[in-house]
Amino acid sequence: DVKVTQSSRYLVKRTGEKVFLECVQDMDHENMFWYRQDPGLGLRLIYFSYDVKMKEKGDIPEGYSVSREKKERFSLILESASTNQTSMYLCASTTGVWQYFGPGTRLTVT
Amino acid sequence: TQLLEQSPQFLSIQEGENLTVYCNSSSVFSSLQWYRQEPGEGPVLLVTVVTGGEVKKLKRLTFQFGDARKDSSLHITAAQPGDTGLYLCAVPRGAQKLVFGQGTRLTINP
Repeated sequence: DVKVTQSSRYLVKRTGEKVFLECVQDMDHENMFWYRQDPGLGLRLIYFSYDVKMKEKGDIPEGYSVSREKKERFSLILESASTNQTSMYLCASTTGVWQYFGPGTRLTVT
Repeated sequence: TQLLEQSPQFLSIQEGENLTVYCNSSSVFSSLQWYRQEPGEGPVLLVTVVTGGEVKKLKRLTFQFGDARKDSSLHITAAQPGDTGLYLCAVPRGAQKLVFGQGTRLTINP
């Protein structure tokens, strides 16, 4: 059974903290994605990676960076968390157009 | 302006009723996907439609791709509480990437 796991289901951080969100997939997929999901806005792409050490900005990359040192792991980094980054963060992976999602991390920045 | 407009944004009906939700655009797409996201989980792919006019059935769910490949509908017959969730449509954008609609939040009351 395919699996995408995210390091935390819920996270509370303070403004200005550096935040790491981890995503691991066990399907040997080349492509991995980070989205944020906000009510009424659907899923918006933050960054994606199509290979180890390769990354590309999505639609809303400001305030975020990513790291992909190993094929199975894709990390999202908030360099200095702000309250407007409070959201649900979803990781996904794919070899085609069908994307497999993790359960999400609900991040609250206070 | 959203590339994909989903309607209605919210729908609450009684168990046993039928319903239809829509995903509309002014653009033509090579394919369209429907995902369902249950509370606390990531989206899960339900179906991909590819041909204009195509109809696919998944138990009580019927998916149709518009003749012009600009829109799609999801019809649920005899809705059950287990159908509750956020229904998202998505279309391809470039290699491996998807664009999502804002979703229809469906609640089926027992």
